[in-house]
Amino acid sequence: RKEVEQDPGPFNVPEGATVAFNCTYSNSASQSFFWYRQDCRKEPKLLMSVYSSGNEDGRFTAQLNRASQYISLLIRDSKLSDSATYLCVVTPGWGGKLIFGQGTELSVKP
Amino acid sequence: DAGITQSPRHKVTETGTPVTLRCHQTENHRYMYWYRQDPGHGLRLIHYSYGVKDTDKGEVSDGYSVSRSKTEDFLLTLESATSSQTSVYFCAISAADRGHYNEQFFGPGTRLTVL
Repeated sequence: RKEVEQDPGPFNVPEGATVAFNCTYSNSASQSFFWYRQDCRKEPKLLMSVYSSGNEDGRFTAQLNRASQYISLLIRDSKLSDSATYLCVVTPGWGGKLIFGQGTELSVKP
Repeated sequence: DAGITQSPRHKVTETGTPVTLRCHQTENHRYMYWYRQDPGHGLRLIHYSYGVKDTDKGEVSDGYSVSRSKTEDFLLTLESATSSQTSVYFCAISAADRGHYNEQFFGPGTRLTVL
């Protein structure tokens, strides 16, 4: 079983749609959680950190459920520019390694 | 954007030749990482460094070595390249030692093809 699992997609949605990505992780001792975004043939970039209380940044909302070892990302009012691969990332501790999911590909169509 | 550069950006080499990839940062961050990214596997950690001359293995370290003689440079060496090492290689740095838990910033990547 992979340490971090995501639905690879692709998710094909129209502009303006709401789309949700899910991610599960296997290590219950994991401490930090992130969503990264990766555009085609580019480097990954941090989209947002994920906190137990949930957090929102504009059209993006991230949730963490430690009991279920589950992370989600919700994108509202999708834009063409949201087309990318979204990577779920987990870390077991401070200053250490990041464990990446395979990524979920999103394609937003006009 | 974080000051991270990688060189070369593209390289084609032959099986059995040595290859060195360079990662250079201008952020003075303590932690540096090398990943490879392959279809179906996502990003996997090869080696990382937590200070000058301090390095450790990641999950796919076989066939790779690293060196860090200066804070700003982290070198990845393939002693004898194989076709299975054809991949996109990303370097990353972390401000984890400055209160930002595990947030990593990535370089632009190096596309390596081993024929």
